Amino acid sequence: GDSVTQTEGPVTVSESESLIINCTYSATSIAYPNLFWYVRYPGEGLQLLLKVITAGQKGSSRGFEATYNKETTSFHLQKASVQESDSAVYYCALGGVSNTNKVVFGTGTRLQVLP
Amino acid sequence: EAAVTQSPRNKVTVTGGNVTLSCRQTNSHNYMYWYRQDTGHGLRLIHYSYGAGNLQIGDVPDGYKATRTTQEDFFLLLELASPSQTSLYFCASSDGRGYEQYFGPGTRLTVL
Repeated sequence: GDSVTQTEGPVTVSESESLIINCTYSATSIAYPNLFWYVRYPGEGLQLLLKVITAGQKGSSRGFEATYNKETTSFHLQKASVQESDSAVYYCALGGVSNTNKVVFGTGTRLQVLP
Repeated sequence: EAAVTQSPRNKVTVTGGNVTLSCRQTNSHNYMYWYRQDTGHGLRLIHYSYGAGNLQIGDVPDGYKATRTTQEDFFLLLELASPSQTSLYFCASSDGRGYEQYFGPGTRLTVL
């Protein structure tokens, strides 16, 4: 079936360090799924961080970026220099499964950025 | 002005209790979803709807009912709550294009 696997947290990095959160997907019901990264700050709901709908393209937002790699079925999230305010839970997600409006989410990766 | 709101934000009930979680969206979206979030499981879809009066079964529907009364309002009902339903519940809405979803702030439910 369709699934998403991402880095198991918590991930702890110091401010100004680089970050990568790995995400790989399996899409058996759809050839070209839409891929997303969502972020959840404490006490809030998930909000879209970035999305990419075309294989080979890169999405970016707030200094984060992710490239849709169909060959390796990956969509890793990267940031060159994290800030304390980036501390949150990050979810990789795959949309369009089974030609429905359902979205499959990863388990989430908690990021803690130390000052 | 939050486009997806949930109430209550926190709820404590006892085993066997009756609980209703409410969700309202002002996005004019057709699709609405109920998820539960548990450590190690990510978001799991309970029920969803593509319009008033419509209900679709999600991936973990056992023990839950849902009702979509209007385009704006979607309710999740736990008629005989059990401790296994202790979780963080999220509601979301979508316009059905592009699969992007907009989430509420969540309801933390504890069943004692």
